[in-house]
Amino acid sequence: DTAVSQTPKYLVTQMGNDKSIKCEQNLGHDTMYWYKQDSKKFLKIMFSYNNKELIINETVPNRFSPKSPDKAHLNLHINSLELGDSAVYFCASSQQISGNTIYFGEGSWLTVV
Amino acid sequence: AQSVSQHNHHVILSEAASLELGCNYSYGGTVNLFWYVQYPGQHLQLLLKYFSGDPLVKGIKGFEAEFIKSKFSFNLRKPSVQWSDTAEYFCAVSHGSGNTGKLIFGQGTTLQVKP
Repeated sequence: DTAVSQTPKYLVTQMGNDKSIKCEQNLGHDTMYWYKQDSKKFLKIMFSYNNKELIINETVPNRFSPKSPDKAHLNLHINSLELGDSAVYFCASSQQISGNTIYFGEGSWLTVV
Repeated sequence: AQSVSQHNHHVILSEAASLELGCNYSYGGTVNLFWYVQYPGQHLQLLLKYFSGDPLVKGIKGFEAEFIKSKFSFNLRKPSVQWSDTAEYFCAVSHGSGNTGKLIFGQGTTLQVKP
């Protein structure tokens, strides 16, 4: 039973394309996130949603648009992909209370060529 | 701005050696502290966490960490490493109150254990 699952795991695409990464959590958590890990392995939050509402948007280009159809899903859509978008994107979830633990998905390796 | 600093970027040890990875954070309020591990090609897994109480916390796989509030530190330790501990280690911090759940990560430490 995968708690936080994301698809696809690997994605190779050309510059200019539009792609989506899907994420689902079965932990009953209220809050979901997208984190980006760059080529130097630095992790940084992109977005967080709480009960389908956007809570955090960390100066991410508006080519990136998260969509949360319900609190168990948070998908990431990327328009007009650029070479610099190549990274590993991690979905995560947590309860929206103080002292929560964030659980990560297995990551989606995006390569833009 | 809040930040997390991991002093060691790349650590190479022989099996059975002791490990200590440094982590310091800059935030004056209440914090929650985490260590995550990322094995090659895999996702982040929680090693241990500190929210409150005993500042010495024990995690999985024989790891422990000590929260020293006066030093804004949360160093990770293991008395005897194994080859299977080869991985990337990330220290992370979140606010302890008014928590949005946002984690701020350090830049990571690559641990290489030689058999």
